[in-house]
Amino acid sequence: DTAVSQTPKYLVTQMGNDKSIKCEQNLGHDTMYWYKQDSKKFLKIMFSYNNKELIINETVPNRFSPKSPDKAHLNLHINSLELGDSAVYFCASSHGLAGAREQYFGPGTRLTVT
Amino acid sequence: GQNIDQPTEMTATEGAIVQINCTYQTSGFNGLFWYQQHAGEAPTFLSYNVLDGLEEKGRFSSFLSRSKGYSYLLLKELQMKDSASYLCAVENRDDKIIFGKGTRLHILP
Repeated sequence: DTAVSQTPKYLVTQMGNDKSIKCEQNLGHDTMYWYKQDSKKFLKIMFSYNNKELIINETVPNRFSPKSPDKAHLNLHINSLELGDSAVYFCASSHGLAGAREQYFGPGTRLTVT
Repeated sequence: GQNIDQPTEMTATEGAIVQINCTYQTSGFNGLFWYQQHAGEAPTFLSYNVLDGLEEKGRFSSFLSRSKGYSYLLLKELQMKDSASYLCAVENRDDKIIFGKGTRLHILP
């Protein structure tokens, strides 16, 4: 019954590797997001997709590439991982309608780059 | 630039009332959110304000003044489980949601 799910929950990897995080929502929402929360707990938007189309792309290194195969999925692929990529990554979803954009967050993926 | 300010930490006593303030300067304004985040968990939605005034939801209320770029979250009858971070977030005119750095609330018995 999980509304927004992410896998994996924990990811430990070495610098230079490539990794992916998957996200799925079963709420029927049109819009999905990726957020990064750093060690100081600052939550910052990275990407937003609406109906599989990219609508927000913040100043994120192009080593990060989101992919949305359908409305219910938004995956995040990261190339050439760096130490500074260590953070918790949250996926979220919402309706695309103004006034109804409360976001439902997944449980987060804690990425540690060594 | 876009800026959202809220206090870094606050402490209150169980059973008391606490008010967490948030001021913002953003490129346009569609609405303001409050989220609660317990340590090690995902943020969960608390409230959404579009118009000026107070929205009450049980023990939690949220107030908005658009002309002042100001909001607060009011928590009444504090319980130990209310110990968490409270995140203020603004949706600007580009439909982008910008989060503040959060206020860590400590509840003392």
